[in-house]
Amino acid sequence: EPEVTQTPSHQVTQMGQEVILRCVPISNHLYFYWYRQILGQKVEFLVSFYNNEISEKSEIFDDQFSVERPDGSNFTLKIRSTKLEDSAMYFCASSVTQTRENEQFFGPGTRLTVL
Amino acid sequence: GDSVTQMEGPVTLSEEAFLTINCTYTATGYPSLFWYVQYPGEGLQLLLKATKADDKGSNKGFEATYRKETTSFHLEKGSVQVSDSAVYFCALSDLGQGAQKLVFGQGTRLTINP
Repeated sequence: EPEVTQTPSHQVTQMGQEVILRCVPISNHLYFYWYRQILGQKVEFLVSFYNNEISEKSEIFDDQFSVERPDGSNFTLKIRSTKLEDSAMYFCASSVTQTRENEQFFGPGTRLTVL
Repeated sequence: GDSVTQMEGPVTLSEEAFLTINCTYTATGYPSLFWYVQYPGEGLQLLLKATKADDKGSNKGFEATYRKETTSFHLEKGSVQVSDSAVYFCALSDLGQGAQKLVFGQGTRLTINP
């Protein structure tokens, strides 16, 4: 069964460093998303992406964050200069269509630890 | 903005016990409602969904009914198994600025003891 994959499963970085989190969405999906979950808190929407551009972003998704689909299979989240408060689990998701009843398929997540 | 509130966890039950995990929501539009489950080491998987009032979603013995009058979508299962141990997330989906996004509750960790 097709699935969303994410690499790495765990990333440790120093504050101020850039990190790139990678995701491979399901191959026939057109819509892509990033969510994050700070330990003990809710899963929060970060950004949605379609047709090579951002369709919506949350207030969390500031200028330090960017997303890209560099090669038609990968979908990446870049954090330019990490802060301690960026430590969280980051989930990638994808979907075929975009309706309010549509299912999003999630990857297993990347745990980011900023020291 | 839209929000989802789940009952506090963790929840620990014995096998074959009855399960209820409460979920209530607030939304400005007419959302769809979902329960996602996360097994250890895996991503969130859709467990069930309901897209309009009085719809009942069901899967693997779990059920939840979309109650617009009480803005609730409680998850129930009549007889839980050890394999149901996981984290359960209630979520709503609405179209924001034209893009679908999920708004999640805080998750409820369920542990079933044999």
